[in-house]
Amino acid sequence: EVQLVESGGGLVKPGGSLRLSCAVSGLNFSNYDMIWVRQAPGKGLEWVSSISSSGTYKYFADFVKGRFTISRDNAQNSVSLQMSSLRGEDTAVYFCATGGYCSGSDCFSAVGDYWGQGTLATVSS
Amino acid sequence: DIQMTQSPSSLSAPVGDRVTITCRASQGISSYLAWFQQRPGKAPKSLIYAASNLQNGVPSRFSGSGSGTYFTLTISGLQPEDSATYYCQQYLRYPYSFGQGTKVEIK
Repeated sequence: EVQLVESGGGLVKPGGSLRLSCAVSGLNFSNYDMIWVRQAPGKGLEWVSSISSSGTYKYFADFVKGRFTISRDNAQNSVSLQMSSLRGEDTAVYFCATGGYCSGSDCFSAVGDYWGQGTLATVSS
Repeated sequence: DIQMTQSPSSLSAPVGDRVTITCRASQGISSYLAWFQQRPGKAPKSLIYAASNLQNGVPSRFSGSGSGTYFTLTISGLQPEDSATYYCQQYLRYPYSFGQGTKVEIK
């Protein structure tokens, strides 16, 4: 069974930092790109960041560029989102999800085949 | 950036009805389009990938079609458990983008 489990959410003051982690099991993690998606209270889904399977390529939404970084540890089957200079509008549930993947010599574009349950980050004074 | 526009924003239909949600991309995205279902307080669930391919385990009453800039998600024979918000997402090019969501209610 594939499982993605996020952790690290909590309450932080504006300007503060938070590190979210996502532990993955049940699939060949090093073959998968990973993504972070967020959802502000009562709002829709919003793509935040992606990282390639090797960790070489990283992409960010404009609204987090320069403030968030993404990393992964393929030995530990985990992906992290380091969030800094946090603002009230960053308050959201943050989900990790799988992206594209390779199986043998074949690679497939994909998004959101598997999701974690989400972790809530609240930015408030 | 590619903008995704869903319609309607909400709908209400009785059990057994056929409902269709549309998703338009601001530029061509070939078939790099996914559909997700999200129930309140839960994580999104993948229904359709590559515009028209049903994920394993998803009931066959769900179907997707389209390519380029126009896509549809159809539920043929609405069930009570289909009450949820549905999102489309393009994954051709970064930044990935979602539609604003369609809330489906059961009459």
